[in-house]
Amino acid sequence: DAGVTQSPTHLIKTRGQQVTLRCSPKSGHDTVSWYQQALGQGPQFIFQYYEEEERQRGNFPDRFSGHQFPNYSSELNVNALLLGDSALYLCASSRLETGGNEKLFFGSGTQLSVL
Amino acid sequence: SQKIEQNSEALNIQEGKTATLTCNYTNYSPAYLQWYRQDPGRGPVFLLLIRENEKEKRKERLKVTFDTTLKQSLFHITASQPADSATYLCAPPLDGRGSTLGRLYFGRGTQLTVWP
Repeated sequence: DAGVTQSPTHLIKTRGQQVTLRCSPKSGHDTVSWYQQALGQGPQFIFQYYEEEERQRGNFPDRFSGHQFPNYSSELNVNALLLGDSALYLCASSRLETGGNEKLFFGSGTQLSVL
Repeated sequence: SQKIEQNSEALNIQEGKTATLTCNYTNYSPAYLQWYRQDPGRGPVFLLLIRENEKEKRKERLKVTFDTTLKQSLFHITASQPADSATYLCAPPLDGRGSTLGRLYFGRGTQLTVWP
């Protein structure tokens, strides 16, 4: 059973460019959440997708957008890249469990460097 | 605004000892707390979840407590091993009550090093 897979693993971009990161959730999971983790910090919630719609959003600008496909895979797009966008971008999948407190399964992330 | 603090950025202990990591939170009352382990260059891995009505939860050598009065969770690793070396993150739900599933508020984490 494949876990959460993310691509690419590493990416180097320059300021002002646009980037697309991809995520395939764990089999049986229907919800995808994206997190940004700066060096030395904990992951920060960007947004969550369920049934192909953005369900919740964290404190991130509109430059960050996403999409979920019918097969539950997801993309994260970042426009007009800034140096401060350099971080590890994590995708987490989940499904509702009994009690409502489901755990997250994370991918290994995409390390984005903006030069 | 709500805030999560983990006791220190780094904790170094000798193999065989018990590691105790602290997670303090302010300005809200989470319905539960999750603990994750993260190795360098990898995503976090879920370890334990404890609910507000539970005092203690155990899983093999791991134990977590949740004190809603002190607004604190303690995470213990007994008989620690070098393989336990990693960063440990505590994470309550971002909105406190967990009404939005999968949306967590992570602390900065505590980097644990277990030396032989």
